[in-house]
Formats: sequence, structure tokens, C-alpha cells
Amino acid sequence: QKEVEQDPGPLSVPEGAIVSLNCTYSNSAFQYFMWYRQYSRKGPELLMYTYSSGNKEDGRFTAQVDKSSKYISLFIRDSQPSDSATYLCAMSYQTFRIIQGAQKLVFGQGTRLTINP
Amino acid sequence: KAGVTQTPRYLIKTRGQQVTLSCSPISGHRSVSWYQQTPGQGLQFLFEYFSETQRNKGNFPGRFSGRQFSNSRSEMNVSTLELGDSALYLCASSTYSGTPNYGYTFGSGTRLTVV
Repeated sequence: QKEVEQDPGPLSVPEGAIVSLNCTYSNSAFQYFMWYRQYSRKGPELLMYTYSSGNKEDGRFTAQVDKSSKYISLFIRDSQPSDSATYLCAMSYQTFRIIQGAQKLVFGQGTRLTINP
Repeated sequence: KAGVTQTPRYLIKTRGQQVTLSCSPISGHRSVSWYQQTPGQGLQFLFEYFSETQRNKGNFPGRFSGRQFSNSRSEMNVSTLELGDSALYLCASSTYSGTPNYGYTFGSGTRLTVV
């Protein structure tokens, strides 16, 4: 079983719809949760970052973390064709401090999203 | 400000050959991490270098290796290539070691095809 599970899709929705993307995880040590967006032929770019449980909003994007259920979500409101990309969840159990023993990001499979005009 | 630069962008190699990929991090970033991205496995961590030292390594065979130079530029090498090594290899840099959630910037990757 993978540490992080994400439905690869593809997911296709009409412009203006609310999009919900989700990941589940098995390692309760994860503390930092991120969403990356990856356009075709590009590397992933950080979209949202949250620490522990709770919500975080940034414009049309809202990230939710439910540590009790080991479940994270990304919501996109008023979706636009330019939002069409692969969305990857990622997690780590690393802190901001410079400490010995580097950690890594553990990624979900990525969900391919298409917003149709 | 220049981003993370990976060269070459595309590469085709034959089974059994070896390959070296290069990554130039953002100026001032001392940590460089490498990831392999495939449709089946997604993004998987290969290793991280900080100040020329390997700080962490993923679960890949010894055919995968890397190094970092004093100017923070990094290279990864894959020897005795197998068909399954075909993937997008991504490099990410950050200011600090062990902080993949802070200031972590990916390059556009090197697409390696093994035939």
C-alpha cells in the first residue's frame, strides 16, 4: 500500500464548476501538506501549503486537512481553463528548522484535471 | 531571478548505457533534490544533496547515483540503463536542507527515454 493515495482521474469539468481533489494517507507522522500544480512539460509548482489540521484559503483555492481521517482536499472555485493541469498532493514530516537528516516529500499519484470552456 | 535549470531537456539512450543529468539550482540555494516521475509510480524521491553531501536517499538501486559540486550544481548518473528507467527526472532546489515544504522549486525536468 502506498503512503499517499490519490485518484489519478482524469477529471473533466465545465468552466465555472467547483473542483474537489482529494488524497488519503497512512502515515500519521505527516505534518506538512502541500498541493502542487504541474502543467504539461513543466515541473511541479507549489500551489498551497498547510500545517497540521485546518483550512487555508488563497483566492479561488482552499486546502483542507483532516488529520483524524488522514484526508486532505483541495477545492478550486470558479474553475478556469487555465486551471487545467495535473494536481499533486505531497506531504512531509519535516520542520522548517535546519536539522540533521534531510527529509523528503512523499507525493500522491497526481490527478489530471481538465476544465472545459 | 533564474529558476532551476536542468539539462538536457530530452535524452534517448540505449539499454545498458549510462547517462548523466545536470541541475543548476537557484542562485543561493544549497540543497538539491532529485525525483523520478513515471505514469505508474508518480513522483519518487531519489536523493538530496546539501553542501556537497548526500543527506538522504530513496529506495532506488545503486545504479542511481549523484553528486553536488561546490557551486551547488548537481549531477545524477544512472548506469546500466534499463527500459524501466524511462521517466521524467526532476530536480528541486531550496535554501535549506531538509525543508522540502519551504522554498522548494522544481526545474522542468529531463525526459529520459531508454530504448
